Amino acid sequence: GAGVSQSPSNKVTEKGKDVELRCDPISGHTALYWYRQSLGQGLEFLIYFQGNSAPDKSGLPSDRFSAERTGGSVSTLTIQRTQQEDSAVYLCASSLKLAGSEQYFGPGTRLTVT
Amino acid sequence: GDSVTQMEGPVTLSEEAFLTINCTYTATGYPSLFWYVQYPGEGLQLLLKATKADDKGSNKGFEATYRKETTSFHLEKGSVQVSDSAVYFCALSDPSGGYNKLIFGAGTRLAVHP
Repeated sequence: GAGVSQSPSNKVTEKGKDVELRCDPISGHTALYWYRQSLGQGLEFLIYFQGNSAPDKSGLPSDRFSAERTGGSVSTLTIQRTQQEDSAVYLCASSLKLAGSEQYFGPGTRLTVT
Repeated sequence: GDSVTQMEGPVTLSEEAFLTINCTYTATGYPSLFWYVQYPGEGLQLLLKATKADDKGSNKGFEATYRKETTSFHLEKGSVQVSDSAVYFCALSDPSGGYNKLIFGAGTRLAVHP
């Protein structure tokens, strides 16, 4: 079956603009995770969803970052007023359930803020 | 907090050489341990995992043993191939918090030459 998909695959934006990154999880996966992979910070956990709920938002780097999930499926990560330090690869993963099941990763969205 | 430390790369080997990539962890609970691999231009893939002490995870000729006494999960392969060239990430998840947040090491780049 189809894996986790993310769009766009690449995004170049000017500093100060808002961007939206999309994640389509594997069908039937209730848990969804966002991570960020950057040169300076390695792979960092950002936020997770169980269904449409995000109980822990403490991994988000600043209040410019927000995420939502609708219909227990698609998730959008929004970055407002982008800064150069937001440049990174944003990875989405999904798993069948919240604990005890493997996370499957998407190919990522490479964000470049100029 | 929980953390993962893995050996710095790059690791450069000739084909058929023996591979060890060291990984140690710090965790307050009873984590599951993982090795993920990222091939050039591709997304993160789970390579192997172990969920409790003394478990051995294995896949594609790679193996790692969960050593609680030394808090380690070293990755080994007896004979590497050029196709094993990739970045390898050690990771843990502690489900005691109710969800599988993955905490990653910095990654080790492996280059295998013919």
